[in-house]
Amino acid sequence: DAKTTQPTSMDCAEGRAANLPCNHSTISGNEYVYWYRQIHSQGPQYIIHGLKNNETNEMASLIITEDRKSSTLILPHATLRDTAVYYCIVRGEDGANNLFFGTGTRLTVIP
Amino acid sequence: ETGVTQTPRHLVMGMTNKKSLKCEQHLGHNAMYWYKQSAKKPLELMFVYNFKEQTENNSVPSRFSPECPNSSHLFLHLHTLQPEDSALYLCASSPYERLNSPPLGNTIYFGEGSWLTVV
Repeated sequence: DAKTTQPTSMDCAEGRAANLPCNHSTISGNEYVYWYRQIHSQGPQYIIHGLKNNETNEMASLIITEDRKSSTLILPHATLRDTAVYYCIVRGEDGANNLFFGTGTRLTVIP
Repeated sequence: ETGVTQTPRHLVMGMTNKKSLKCEQHLGHNAMYWYKQSAKKPLELMFVYNFKEQTENNSVPSRFSPECPNSSHLFLHLHTLQPEDSALYLCASSPYERLNSPPLGNTIYFGEGSWLTVV
């Protein structure tokens, strides 16, 4: 699976949009971009995933660049409960059973 | 509530004890996983089961012994552990294991984890 690069930490004001970037410049054509988050002392929570097109669900939006070498997770209205470590993972069909989480981005939502 | 339930949530055991962690998924999935998360380290895959059969053992020491009696239940039997085995142990499940799996819909869902302290 392709390696991803994320900033170590970010702050976001409560109520504002949180934009979390991820670089995956070596991604291949059949690899998907997944986002998980882990709130302290809990298991990772699935957020969203995509291949080429932008995706949106009740939790977040995922914007993938046209060359697929980077993506951005958007939390439209961050709340204090969104404070967590966010992991960007690139995962192919043949790597399905080993999610490499890396160190992620620690997002702190500030009141 | 993710549909993956782990018990106990917290466990303290001595190095000579034998204990087990239990995981149950209510999602109708066919693949189950054990991950380990040590302090300030990324998650590490330990074991993968697909349709009750173990398909991956990621060089895990034999003091960790998994058991998968059916597609909904997964156990991790622990014996003669070391203090460095203290960690958060996470169970997960997904609809399919790899190879020939459809690319979409194979999201992995995690339980809340079991915090293990070996004294």
